[in-house]
Amino acid sequence: QVQLQESGPGLVKPSQTLSLSCSVSGGSISSGDYYWSWIRQPPGKGLEWIGYIYYSGSTYYNPSLKSRVTISVDTSKNQFSLKLRSVTAVDTAVYFCARWRAGARENDGFDIWGQGTMVTVSS
Amino acid sequence: SSELTQDPAVSVALGQTVRITCQGDSLRTYYASWYQQKPGQAPVLVIYGKNNRPSGIPDRFSGSSSGNTASLTITGAQAEDEADYHCNSRDNDGIHNYVFGTGTKVTVL
Repeated sequence: QVQLQESGPGLVKPSQTLSLSCSVSGGSISSGDYYWSWIRQPPGKGLEWIGYIYYSGSTYYNPSLKSRVTISVDTSKNQFSLKLRSVTAVDTAVYFCARWRAGARENDGFDIWGQGTMVTVSS
Repeated sequence: SSELTQDPAVSVALGQTVRITCQGDSLRTYYASWYQQKPGQAPVLVIYGKNNRPSGIPDRFSGSSSGNTASLTITGAQAEDEADYHCNSRDNDGIHNYVFGTGTKVTVL
């Protein structure tokens, strides 16, 4: 049973960089069947896809965040990470890592999610 | 980029049927997936593809699509189905871009 677990600071100052990691257990991040994703949810609002990474290192980002986001993977640690630069209060949200199934569109879906971690941007 | 629009809230009597809709241009091209989210918890995938349920999802959940509208139907709603439901699809801007719906709060009376 694959499980995902986010970790990182819960408080980040404005203009600084938000850094989170997602550890994958029960399966290998190097499986070619999945993309490893970050998704966020501001308090009381809907979900927003941030981006994802393939085990090879190929990355794809939400165009609205692309200039501030970097997602990386460490296959030796079986984890992937998110960096969001120049944060402001609007970046305050619960950040989830999730797994997206690669391949046929019939399988489209984020099938496994981490529990989420709340990040507050405040001085 | 595309948008996916959902009704903010719907209610259903215990044991009755409720349909939740999701509208957007991207749904003419791509399948919707649906997620159930209870307060303080992560979303859970309940429907993907044409009408597929992950292991462990009750068969009272089903999906359908027509034109620019995808639907999630709960047939015989149970108290534990009270939750927020989010739809999701690829964005028309590119196959590696994704959009979520605005979310629907389902209340079971």
